[in-house]
Amino acid sequence: AQSVAQPEDQVNVAEGNPLTVKCTYSVSGNPYLFWYVQYPNRGLQFLLKYITGDNLVKGSYGFEAEFNKSQTSFHLKKPSALVSDSALYFCAVRPGSQGNLIFGKGTKLSVKP
Amino acid sequence: KAGVTQTPRYLIKTRGQQVTLSCSPISGHRSVSWYQQTPGQGLQFLFEYFSETQRNKGNFPGRFSGRQFSNSRSEMNVSTLELGDSALYLCASKNTGARDEKLFFGSGTQLSVL
Repeated sequence: AQSVAQPEDQVNVAEGNPLTVKCTYSVSGNPYLFWYVQYPNRGLQFLLKYITGDNLVKGSYGFEAEFNKSQTSFHLKKPSALVSDSALYFCAVRPGSQGNLIFGKGTKLSVKP
Repeated sequence: KAGVTQTPRYLIKTRGQQVTLSCSPISGHRSVSWYQQTPGQGLQFLFEYFSETQRNKGNFPGRFSGRQFSNSRSEMNVSTLELGDSALYLCASKNTGARDEKLFFGSGTQLSVL
């Protein structure tokens, strides 16, 4: 079965420190990979995507993600966390074949001052 | 451009009733997808419509149905509501059917079934 896993329900980081939110996937073909962020009482907002090419993808608000094909991972990173980054982060994968977007269960990021 | 608009924002129903949720996509967008979000299951795909045709459907019972109108607005209907249908229902739109295109989400309709 095709799936996306976000192994951490919550990640706690101090402001100014680097952050990583993990994502691994299991899908057929060459997947399209996405990260979305959800702030309280809001819908999801697009952060970045990987389609092909350079394994390091840069996105909105200083976030970046690293695609690792051998480890089937697509971890979200930011060099210096802000309190305003506190939100729910979702990894999503669209399989190489036709199909809908499959979301992970989300990781709550908490950045403390 | 206005964003994706979902109405109503909040809804309270009782078991056995039916409900209709509405979604107006970004102007010019022809694809509309619906997702159910719950704390335990995350986001679950319901269905996608493109130019009034259902293109994909998730693993939900037949009580969940949808449609898309010629102006790309979409409605989702849930009949014979169950307690487990309580969730945030999110609508998302995009311009084309391209697989690499990002989704634009509405703020959702919070449905509570009592």
